Amino acid sequence: GAGVSQSPRYKVTKRGQDVALRCDPISGHVSLYWYRQALGQGPEFLTYFNYEAQQDKSGLPNDRFSAERPEGSISTLTIQRTEQRDSAMYRCASSLRTLNEKLFFGSGTQLSVL
Amino acid sequence: AQTVTQSQPEMSVQEAETVTLSCTYDTSESNYYLFWYKQPPSRQMILVIRQEAYKQQNATENRFSVNFQKAAKSFSLKISDSQLGDTAMYFCAFLGDSSYKLIFGSGTRLLVRP
Repeated sequence: GAGVSQSPRYKVTKRGQDVALRCDPISGHVSLYWYRQALGQGPEFLTYFNYEAQQDKSGLPNDRFSAERPEGSISTLTIQRTEQRDSAMYRCASSLRTLNEKLFFGSGTQLSVL
Repeated sequence: AQTVTQSQPEMSVQEAETVTLSCTYDTSESNYYLFWYKQPPSRQMILVIRQEAYKQQNATENRFSVNFQKAAKSFSLKISDSQLGDTAMYFCAFLGDSSYKLIFGSGTRLLVRP
């Protein structure tokens, strides 16, 4: 596609439910990143993929968070047993190559956990 | 660890005037990249301008320019001839030379008044 696409744009869920957030990067982009942006803050790094390999997951807050990119294209960020503190904007970005390349961000998924 | 500080939570400017947004950062690396991103109400994350630390010349993109002071670790954004469409949240970000993790400041909300 023309840009990085994320779905859904908004997700409201009840505490304890699992959610899956989808990211469709720009076609041909090798690297894919997930960031989380709390209200009034800048985005914070969660995880990074090079092709299908998850190279770094050091930013994932705890083991309720996981991400995959099985075919090196679309990625899914899954949050199990959601908690209210998980409420945030989740942003995906992609780049043609890794390291210092221009990142293209999606419009994000706004997650609200009630 | 690298940090990025934006000390102005909110700023306001009259249409057609010039405004400067401040950003300071801390790093022990000698080469790195600095960015300004714009986040309008549409929730997109748009790259405004990019500066490579080893380049002495300040980056310029149309009405947007930076004042990069490497010794002072300062990276301010100047917006000339402000337009209503410049109203947005602006984030300063740092990227180490061999890193893929963008480190963002907390943002400055800019309002352009008609």
